[in-house]
Amino acid sequence: GQQVMQIPQYQHVQEGEDFTTYCNSSTTLSNIQWYKQRPGGHPVFLIQLVKSGEVKKQKRLTFQFGEAKKNSSLHITATQTTDVGTYFCAGFSGNTGKLIFGQGTTLQVKP
Amino acid sequence: DTAVSQTPKYLVTQMGNDKSIKCEQNLGHDTMYWYKQDSKKFLKIMFSYNNKELIINETVPNRFSPKSPDKAHLNLHINSLELGDSAVYFCASSQRSLREKLFFGSGTQLSVL
Repeated sequence: GQQVMQIPQYQHVQEGEDFTTYCNSSTTLSNIQWYKQRPGGHPVFLIQLVKSGEVKKQKRLTFQFGEAKKNSSLHITATQTTDVGTYFCAGFSGNTGKLIFGQGTTLQVKP
Repeated sequence: DTAVSQTPKYLVTQMGNDKSIKCEQNLGHDTMYWYKQDSKKFLKIMFSYNNKELIINETVPNRFSPKSPDKAHLNLHINSLELGDSAVYFCASSQRSLREKLFFGSGTQLSVL
């Protein structure tokens, strides 16, 4: 069945360092969504990517969708303590009609 | 106003009991969902309703029964609770389908003792 793998599972960085999480799907996706869940909170939508090779930026966050529409990445430049949380990718397949979440990457930022 | 609200926030109960979690959205969305998040933070869809009609029913034990009295509400009833049911349950909604972004409720932490 459709699978979405996300790595790494955990990342500890010093404040100011960069951070990247990667997402790989076993099937071609119609779109990919990214969510952030703060500790004790609920997932909050960040962005959706639809086009092959698409790159979108939100301040220090850069999101990419692969050319084959099977992988994606989220890069945070110069992390801050407010970036702490778990970042999830979620891939939607038009074939299955399902949105499958990756396992999430939990980011810790040391001040 | 909270867009997707669910109650209760915490639920502590004994094995074998029956419990319900309620969810309401005021966004005017057509589709609502129940997700289960386990201790490893993995988010798995359980059910999805579109305009009160069940459209996704993953392999969930039939002790779990969703009910949607109208498109703004999706409740989850769980019979004969088991230890393995302990998790955080999130209600969510989207405008029309899973193709669109999800708005999550604040979650219900269920602990079965």
